Amino acid sequence: DVKVTQSSRYLVKRTGEKVFLECVQDMDHENMFWYRQDPGLGLRLIYFSYDVKMKEKGDIPEGYSVSREKKERFSLILESASTNQTSMYLCASSSKDTQYFGPGTRLTVL
Amino acid sequence: DQQVKQNSPSLSVQEGRISILNCDYTNSMFDYFLWYKKYPAEGPTFLISISSIKDKNEDGRFTVFLNKSAKHLSLHIVPSQPGDSAVYFCAASARTGANNLFFGTGTRLTVIP
Repeated sequence: DVKVTQSSRYLVKRTGEKVFLECVQDMDHENMFWYRQDPGLGLRLIYFSYDVKMKEKGDIPEGYSVSREKKERFSLILESASTNQTSMYLCASSSKDTQYFGPGTRLTVL
Repeated sequence: DQQVKQNSPSLSVQEGRISILNCDYTNSMFDYFLWYKKYPAEGPTFLISISSIKDKNEDGRFTVFLNKSAKHLSLHIVPSQPGDSAVYFCAASARTGANNLFFGTGTRLTVIP
């Protein structure tokens, strides 16, 4: 069974703080993704990575960066959190046929 | 521009009846389609997929229909159960399998006991 884990289920941060969201997968997948989910907007891709140290911008990369130092771990970084980054953040890794999602991190920025 | 659209934000169905969730897409290059189910405070879980060489795929109570000429797919759940109450997302990709998925905005299904 594929397992994708995220470091926190709920997180509350203050405006201007640096935020790290960690994601780990145990299936040796090459591709990993970060999305945010907002009501009425579905899942929007922030960044993805197709190999260690490789990254590509998704649809909404502004205000975010990522790090992939090891194949199993993909981190999302909010350099200076803002209130409009309050959202549900979902990490995924993919096989050829589907993406497997972590449980999500509900981030609130005050 | 939303390339995958789910025009019904919500749907309510009686237990035991059929649930039909609809999805439209605009990109004729899409050739692989997936449905995901999401419970509150959990990540989406894969439900069923279909490639463009087929027009139907069935898995237990779940069937996905693809109408390429209309750029439309639908998910049928028969019979609907209260545990099916969740948000359903359709997703599509163009020649990349499960990479580079475009998601719809989701439909919240409520199955009434």
